[in-house]
Amino acid sequence: SYELTQPPSVSVSPGQTARITCSGDALPKKYAYWYQQKSGQAPVLVIYEDSKRPSGIPERFSGSSSGTMATLTVSGAQVEDEADYYCYSKDNSGNFWVFGGGTKLTVL
Amino acid sequence: QVQLVQSGAEVKKPGASVKVSCKTSGYIFSDYYIHWVRQAPGQGLEWMGWINPNRGDVNYPQKFQGRVTMISDTSISTAYMELSRLKSDDTAVYFCAREFMSIGIPGYWGQGSLVTVSS
Repeated sequence: SYELTQPPSVSVSPGQTARITCSGDALPKKYAYWYQQKSGQAPVLVIYEDSKRPSGIPERFSGSSSGTMATLTVSGAQVEDEADYYCYSKDNSGNFWVFGGGTKLTVL
Repeated sequence: QVQLVQSGAEVKKPGASVKVSCKTSGYIFSDYYIHWVRQAPGQGLEWMGWINPNRGDVNYPQKFQGRVTMISDTSISTAYMELSRLKSDDTAVYFCAREFMSIGIPGYWGQGSLVTVSS
């Protein structure tokens, strides 16, 4: 079955830039989406269609995709950005959705 | 505003079935897909499928085919997810989520329903 691969953890100091990657062989043809999930809460969509930001999401969140890798960038990360981040995309068939394994972002 | 309110926690025995409800409000129910996603304790998110409330068509990943049933009742703007032949590793929080902007992804989430499978 199709897999999206993320690093288990990323750690930065406040104000630094955090980059979270997601690799999958269908990403050259499929959009990537990113969700933020804080402890005990439902996920929140922070990036859709590789690089678009829903209303209400701070500008420090941005996304990009090149080849088989999509990247979520948090510029000037803040303590409140500590969360698990999941990439999400379709498999090669285009019929089924898959989440990446998640990346724990620590900001301290 | 868009709201999705799910049914409460359930405890089930192995082999039983569970049915989770997701009552929606704040939009036209039949206009947007409903997705179901689960999260086992301490684990990541897992997509379980979607239902199109307008036509009733569904899409399940192979892992859940034959065990999951998603239905909707447009008269009460409510979606349901039933999972049968429960096993201990089905213990998880189950989320429903309304489609975001008609682009086929979860965008507005329910609060989650904890299902515990234990003998």
